[in-house]
Amino acid sequence: KNEVEQSPQNLTAQEGEFITINCSYSVGISALHWLQQHPGGGIVSLFMLSSGKKKHGRLIATINIQEKHSSLHITASHPRDSAVYICAALGQGAQKLVFGQGTRLTINP
Amino acid sequence: NAGVMQNPRHLVRRRGQEARLRCSPMKGHSHVYWYRQLPEEGLKFMVYLQKENIIDESGMPKERFSAEFPKEGPSILRIQQVVRGDSAAYFCASSPGARAYNEQFFGPGTRLTVL
Repeated sequence: KNEVEQSPQNLTAQEGEFITINCSYSVGISALHWLQQHPGGGIVSLFMLSSGKKKHGRLIATINIQEKHSSLHITASHPRDSAVYICAALGQGAQKLVFGQGTRLTINP
Repeated sequence: NAGVMQNPRHLVRRRGQEARLRCSPMKGHSHVYWYRQLPEEGLKFMVYLQKENIIDESGMPKERFSAEFPKEGPSILRIQQVVRGDSAAYFCASSPGARAYNEQFFGPGTRLTVL
């Protein structure tokens, strides 16, 4: 079992829908990253959080430390949101990120 | 403030050749991390370096791979005698320090193809 698990692995939705991607981790962490990767592209850091909730535009990230769970939400989804979304955990006392397998999101017009 | 720079963006090598991948961290960042993304797989940690020091190389293959981050100049990931299985995207990230609140910023990656 991976230390960081994401669900779903693939998600297809219509433009305008509310999107939720989930991330569960089995180790103690000091922070959790949400990353975005377009096909053949680089990696963009969306959020880094260690508690509570963060919002940036149409993106919202939440984390529940007790339940070892984080979610990424996209409101009013748009085709340009189509990408792979990756959560990555920074272990306590460690500096290396442990990555989930990614969620491939496709938003159809 | 320029972001993390990696070059080359694409690199083609024949089996047995050497590959050198460069990473220039963001200005003011002294910590560099290398990650590898094999085709259709997730990202995996390789090595973590500070200036002139390797801090954690637990994800680095024991043979043919080496990394350095000299006092001056970029961090280099070196792969000797490349094999087809080394074909992957190699990303580096940098951060200003080692604290948990120091976010890692990623470069655009180097896509290595071994023929």
